[in-house]
Amino acid sequence: DIQMTQSPSTLSASVGDRVTITCRASQSISRRLAWYQQKPGKAPKLLIYAASSLESGVPSRFSGSGSGTEFTLTISSLQPDDFATYYCQQYNIYSPVTFGQGTKLEIK
Amino acid sequence: QVQLQESGPGLVKPSQTLSLACSVSGDSISSGNRYWSWIRQPAGKGLEWIGRIYASGSTDYNPSLESRVTISLDTSKNQFSLNLNSVTDADTALYYCASAPLGTWLDPWGQGTLVTVSS
Repeated sequence: DIQMTQSPSTLSASVGDRVTITCRASQSISRRLAWYQQKPGKAPKLLIYAASSLESGVPSRFSGSGSGTEFTLTISSLQPDDFATYYCQQYNIYSPVTFGQGTKLEIK
Repeated sequence: QVQLQESGPGLVKPSQTLSLACSVSGDSISSGNRYWSWIRQPAGKGLEWIGRIYASGSTDYNPSLESRVTISLDTSKNQFSLNLNSVTDADTALYYCASAPLGTWLDPWGQGTLVTVSS
């Protein structure tokens, strides 16, 4: 199976900060990576697909990049609504789906 | 627009079988352009993919759960189901159903249903 390693596991930041979360795959997944935001008690919400495509309705302060085994999610200027947990997910063809372990974004 | 809704018992006894259904609206589960998946999340922990089923009935499961899991389709009800047998406390979690266009990301998701394993 493809293992997804996210870092950091917790990130403390302030409103207005620029933050970056990293996700590494144990083997190349091309650009078959999605990012989700999850708030307590809610289902994950799709933010980014195909590594860098912004889902409709998601603010442009969110961006994704990377290919192969290394990917990043960047929030350019944190807003109060952005404090949540973020997950990466790979969807490589013919492989079981796997998620990163999550990054909790906390208010500093 | 595809929408999903989980249903099933919120309490299951240890060693018994957990059974959940996911009702689908906005698409037919037999259309063949999506796959249908289950994911779970223990309290305070991350997301764990359980498995998926295609319109053909073909399935893929998480290797760590494969010996206990069955996912099936009910085309008459436009639902897909999860059966997890021999449950223990470790299976207590929020269970989500989700769907994905073939070979792509999981979207949309159901709202989730909490299943507690307890005697």
